[in-house]
Amino acid sequence: GQNIDQPTEMTATEGAIVQINCTYQTSGFNGLFWYQQHAGEAPTFLSYNVLDGLEEKGRFSSFLSRSKGYSYLLLKELQMKDSASYLCAVSDSNYQLIWGAGTKLIIKP
Amino acid sequence: DGGITQSPKYLFRKEGQNVTLSCEQNLNHDAMYWYRQDPGQGLRLIYYSQIVNDFQKGDIAEGYSVSREKKESFPLTVTSAQKNPTAFYLCASSAGLSGANVLTFGAGSRLTVL
Repeated sequence: GQNIDQPTEMTATEGAIVQINCTYQTSGFNGLFWYQQHAGEAPTFLSYNVLDGLEEKGRFSSFLSRSKGYSYLLLKELQMKDSASYLCAVSDSNYQLIWGAGTKLIIKP
Repeated sequence: DGGITQSPKYLFRKEGQNVTLSCEQNLNHDAMYWYRQDPGQGLRLIYYSQIVNDFQKGDIAEGYSVSREKKESFPLTVTSAQKNPTAFYLCASSAGLSGANVLTFGAGSRLTVL
């Protein structure tokens, strides 16, 4: 079966760095997406990786290793507004998205 | 500004009633989707449509129905056959296939069955 695993919840301190991991087992791979979702709101797009390596976008970076079925989202200089859930989604061989359950990130002052 | 509008934001339903959730987009996107979000679970696809007058079942279509008569609109009806309809419903759209394009989501509709 197809499976996406992410930690359920993480806690970090304002100003620090946090890494949110995502491992996947899917039938085929056509890319991996990260979305941010504040409580009760719509998910918004953060990043897309289809090739191995690190993609940097401001305070956020996303890494992919296709051979290991692994990705992480790195958030630097954490701000209180970064408190949200982070959703990992993999595009399978049919370009259908398989979603992880999301990681709730709590930022403490 | 372009975007997706979902309504209502909150909806209460008695058991045995059908309800319809509205989703309208002005992004000129071909593809539209309905997802259900429950605590502790990933987004689950209910229905999707890649073109007007055509739609496909997702992973959990039972108890739901949709229509796509206009490019801009993709309403979802939650029927009385849906055994556990209390959930957060998200509508999304994309320029093409969801796995190859960024999804734009609406703000969501929270349905509670009394």
